[in-house]
Amino acid sequence: EVVMTQSPDTLSVSPGERATLSCRASQSVSSNLAWYQQKPGQPPRLLIYRASTRATDIPARFSGSGSGTEFTLTISSLQSEDIAFYYCQQYNNWPPLTFGGGTKVEIK
Amino acid sequence: EVQLVESGGGLVQPGGSLRLSCAVSGFIVSNSYMTWVRRAPGKGLEWVSVIYSDGTTYYADSVKGRFTISRDNSKNTIYLQMHSPRAEDTAVYYCARVGLDTATMISGLFDLWGQGSLVIVSS
Repeated sequence: EVVMTQSPDTLSVSPGERATLSCRASQSVSSNLAWYQQKPGQPPRLLIYRASTRATDIPARFSGSGSGTEFTLTISSLQSEDIAFYYCQQYNNWPPLTFGGGTKVEIK
Repeated sequence: EVQLVESGGGLVQPGGSLRLSCAVSGFIVSNSYMTWVRRAPGKGLEWVSVIYSDGTTYYADSVKGRFTISRDNSKNTIYLQMHSPRAEDTAVYYCARVGLDTATMISGLFDLWGQGSLVIVSS
């Protein structure tokens, strides 16, 4: 099973500032890595797939990078509506499909 | 319009049983990989089970032997039968479609989600 580890657990960022979230895989997942955003009371929403491709209707301030075992999600200019939990997920070697533990992004 | 609508959640006693449903509109479930994902209180997302278009099923170790995923093609609906649930199965359960990255022809990303159904396992 591929274990996904996210850091930090919580990220406090001022509005308009950059937020950088990290995700590490226990073995290479190539570029088969997705990011999801989950707001309270809502289902997760696909943000990024193939490590760096934005899903439909995702704003350009969200970007993903990395390959192999190290990945990053960047929010270039944090907006209030970006307050949420963010999860990475690998789909290179499954089942099982595995998620990271999540990063909570909050306003400083 | 594409919709995934879960139902069947609620309070269930440990050792009891409960069946969740996910009624789908806008695409054909039998042509898709469909899955259940859950989020327990204060915890992150956890993949639970998948059913392939050919009917093959897989489960997370945490539910193997206790949960069963199935589908009714005539109703375009998938199900999760929960047998002998435990307190640690308390969670919001989401059904989701497993999408295909058409550039790489690799599947495994969750591109469509339902709103979720809350299951509480308690006596």
